[in-house]
Amino acid sequence: GAGVSQSPSNKVTEKGKDVELRCDPISGHTALYWYRQRLGQGLEFLIYFQGNSAPDKSGLPSDRFSAERTGESVSTLTIQRTQQEDSAVYLCASSTTGGQPQHFGDGTRLSIL
Amino acid sequence: AQSVTQPDIHITVSEGASLELRCNYSYGATPYLFWYVQSPGQGLQLLLKYFSGDTLVQGIKGFEAEFKRSQSSFNLRKPSVHWSDAAEYFCAVGTSTASKLTFGTGTRLQVTL
Repeated sequence: GAGVSQSPSNKVTEKGKDVELRCDPISGHTALYWYRQRLGQGLEFLIYFQGNSAPDKSGLPSDRFSAERTGESVSTLTIQRTQQEDSAVYLCASSTTGGQPQHFGDGTRLSIL
Repeated sequence: AQSVTQPDIHITVSEGASLELRCNYSYGATPYLFWYVQSPGQGLQLLLKYFSGDTLVQGIKGFEAEFKRSQSSFNLRKPSVHWSDAAEYFCAVGTSTASKLTFGTGTRLQVTL
């Protein structure tokens, strides 16, 4: 597509539920990134994919967070047993390859009740 | 590890006035530097980037930034601000070897008419 697409745009769920967030990168972009943005704060890096592998997952805050990428395209970020502190906007970005400018989607706003 | 400081949390300028947003970074080698803008409810849009070469870089929407190695700074400037420039601005640092961007906490720009 023309840009990075994320779905859903908004997600409200109860504490303890699992959620899946989806990212469709720009076609042909081999690098894909997930970031988290808490209210009023900057972006925190979560994980980086080059192709289907994740050479840097150092930003995942706990083992409740996981991500996968298939077909060098779509990526899914999964949060298990959600907690209220998981409430944030989750942003996905892609680039032609690692180190190049990243293009961001509009994010998924996750609210945990 | 790299880090970014944006000293100004909130700046208000009058439409037509000049603008300078400050960014200081910490990184041992030559950094890749970026400025992004975020409008409410949207993702981040790349304004400009510095990889190497000319230290004064031009971006979209009339913005420019100057890389000053001696001051570890990459300040964003615009000679005449428009009301539509009101948004949150993020400075970020990366490296040539890919992976994550490290973001500052952002500067919120308000433009008065």
